[in-house]
Amino acid sequence: EPEVTQTPSHQVTQMGQEVILRCVPISNHLYFYWYRQILGQKVEFLVSFYNNEISEKSEIFDDQFSVERPDGSNFTLKIRSTKLEDSAMYFCASVVPTYNEQFFGPGTRLTVL
Amino acid sequence: AQKITQTQPGMFVQEKEAVTLDCTYDTSDPSYGLFWYKQPSSGEMIFLIYQGSYDQQNATEGRYSLNFQKARKSANLVISASQLGDSAMYFCAMREGGLGSQGNLIFGKGTKLSVKP
Repeated sequence: EPEVTQTPSHQVTQMGQEVILRCVPISNHLYFYWYRQILGQKVEFLVSFYNNEISEKSEIFDDQFSVERPDGSNFTLKIRSTKLEDSAMYFCASVVPTYNEQFFGPGTRLTVL
Repeated sequence: AQKITQTQPGMFVQEKEAVTLDCTYDTSDPSYGLFWYKQPSSGEMIFLIYQGSYDQQNATEGRYSLNFQKARKSANLVISASQLGDSAMYFCAMREGGLGSQGNLIFGKGTKLSVKP
């Protein structure tokens, strides 16, 4: 069964460093999302992406964040200058238009020291 | 105002018993979808069940069923015949807009279910 994959599974970085989280959505999916989950808290929407552009973003998704689909398969989330409060699990999800379920990847646990 | 409310931070259930996890929602959109996801300790998000706002019948998927009460804006998850492997966090989520809408999911705070042997 096709699945969303994410790399790395765990990333440790120093405050102020840039990180890039990678996702490979399911191949025929058209809509892509990033969510984050701070430890012990609920899952929060960051951004959605369709047709090579952002379709919606939350107030969390400030200028420190960016997304792109550089090569038609990967979908990346970049955090330019990480802060301690960016430590969280980051989930990528994708969906086809005629289906309800958003398929989630296994997540990347980001730890900012 | 919270759009998804899960009032039970933690629940215990005896193995083989049924359990109901509560979820209430708030939206003014007549078209919406309601979802339940399971998050085991390993962290992944596992889709369990979906209910559309215009669906006439309550959704069922194996041991999972959704008790959808539209007038009360509730979408409780019922797990029948609990198994030890059901121990996990359970999140209720809503997407505003009907089928074909690709809006983001709005999650509740979750309920931690523990199944006792």
